Amino acid sequence: AQSVTQPDIHITVSEGASLELRCNYSYGATPYLFWYVQSPGQGLQLLLKYFSGDTLVQGIKGFEAEFKRSQSSFNLRKPSVHWSDAAEYFCAVDTIQGGSEKLVFGKGTKLTVNP
Amino acid sequence: KAGVTQTPRYLIKTRGQQVTLSCSPISGHRSVSWYQQTPGQGLQFLFEYFSETQRNKGNFPGRFSGRQFSNSRSEMNVSTLELGDSALYLCASSWAPSRGEKLFFGSGTQLSVL
Repeated sequence: AQSVTQPDIHITVSEGASLELRCNYSYGATPYLFWYVQSPGQGLQLLLKYFSGDTLVQGIKGFEAEFKRSQSSFNLRKPSVHWSDAAEYFCAVDTIQGGSEKLVFGKGTKLTVNP
Repeated sequence: KAGVTQTPRYLIKTRGQQVTLSCSPISGHRSVSWYQQTPGQGLQFLFEYFSETQRNKGNFPGRFSGRQFSNSRSEMNVSTLELGDSALYLCASSWAPSRGEKLFFGSGTQLSVL
């Protein structure tokens, strides 16, 4: 079955430090991959997505992600974290099974930013 | 341009009751999806509607149902509430149910079942 694993439940970084959030997926076909961010009390906002082409994709708020097919990974990175980046981050894969399409989300990584 | 609007923002119900949640998509969006978010299970897909028709359904019992109106607004209903139904219910809209289409999420309805 299709699945998304985010190994880190909670990550704490200092403001200005670099960030990498890990995401591994399990999906037999070409994956459509997404990263969403959720601030407290809010819905999810799309940061970036990958369908094909260049494996390094740029998103909003200075985030980028790299698709590595050999590792079934789609890790999210940011070179310098800001306090406003504190939120929960979700990786997702768009799957098709039995003719039905749906987004499968990882369980999320909560990011805390220390001043 | 208004975003996805979900009402009510908070709900408190007791076991055995039923509840109806509402979602108004972004103007022009015709596809609406519903997700349940809990600390233990994370985000789980409930169902998706397009042009008043249910296109997909997740692995939830029949107590969970939904519908979409001609103006694309959607409602979901949960009957015979159980304690485990306590969750944040998120609605998302998009132009159409194309694969990889960007979803716009509402802020959700927080349901507490006592």
